[in-house]
Amino acid sequence: QKEVEQNSGPLSVPEGAIASLNCTYSDRVSQSFFWYRQYSGKSPELIMSIYSNGDKEDGRFTAQLNKASQYVSLLIRDSQPSDSATYLCAVADDKIIFGKGTRLHILP
Amino acid sequence: EPEVTQTPSHQVTQMGQEVILRCVPISNHLYFYWYRQILGQKVEFLVSFYNNEISEKSEIFDDQFSVERPDGSNFTLKIRSTKLEDSAMYFCASRLNPGRTNSPLHFGNGTRLTVT
Repeated sequence: QKEVEQNSGPLSVPEGAIASLNCTYSDRVSQSFFWYRQYSGKSPELIMSIYSNGDKEDGRFTAQLNKASQYVSLLIRDSQPSDSATYLCAVADDKIIFGKGTRLHILP
Repeated sequence: EPEVTQTPSHQVTQMGQEVILRCVPISNHLYFYWYRQILGQKVEFLVSFYNNEISEKSEIFDDQFSVERPDGSNFTLKIRSTKLEDSAMYFCASRLNPGRTNSPLHFGNGTRLTVT
């Protein structure tokens, strides 16, 4: 059974600070990794994707992947109140499996 | 930007009734999925569909569930005899090609199913 583990939170971060979200996965052969943001009652929306070891930056978001440690993370710089949401880590081969998500709360 | 559309947005049904949830995936996508999310819980994989057949299904997807692509655009999930525990948000998603690394899921807005 493939597993994706995330700390459920809530993670409280002051506005303007860096939010750091972490995820581990069990299947070593997983090739693609995604971070989705989900607001309450809404569908998941794609934030970042990463496939190679190292960092990938897109605006205020940086995804980090370490396949040897089976670890994926998401950094959000200059956190805004609108970033308050649940962040879902997803791991893909033929299907995409989601973690339970980390609730992020940005404090104004 | 192309999007996945789902109807209805909210469906209320009585226990034991059949429901059909409808989805129109993004037109050039090849793989289609149903996920569900019980309130406060994780997004769970139900089934994937490719080339007019199920490619993988989870333990949740038992004989009460079926999927169909009745024409070139619609993708449906049928629950034959609903139970109270089927109450959840059901998300349809499509994906261009899992064989390509840059192929994330694109979700519809979901159908909230309430079984009474």
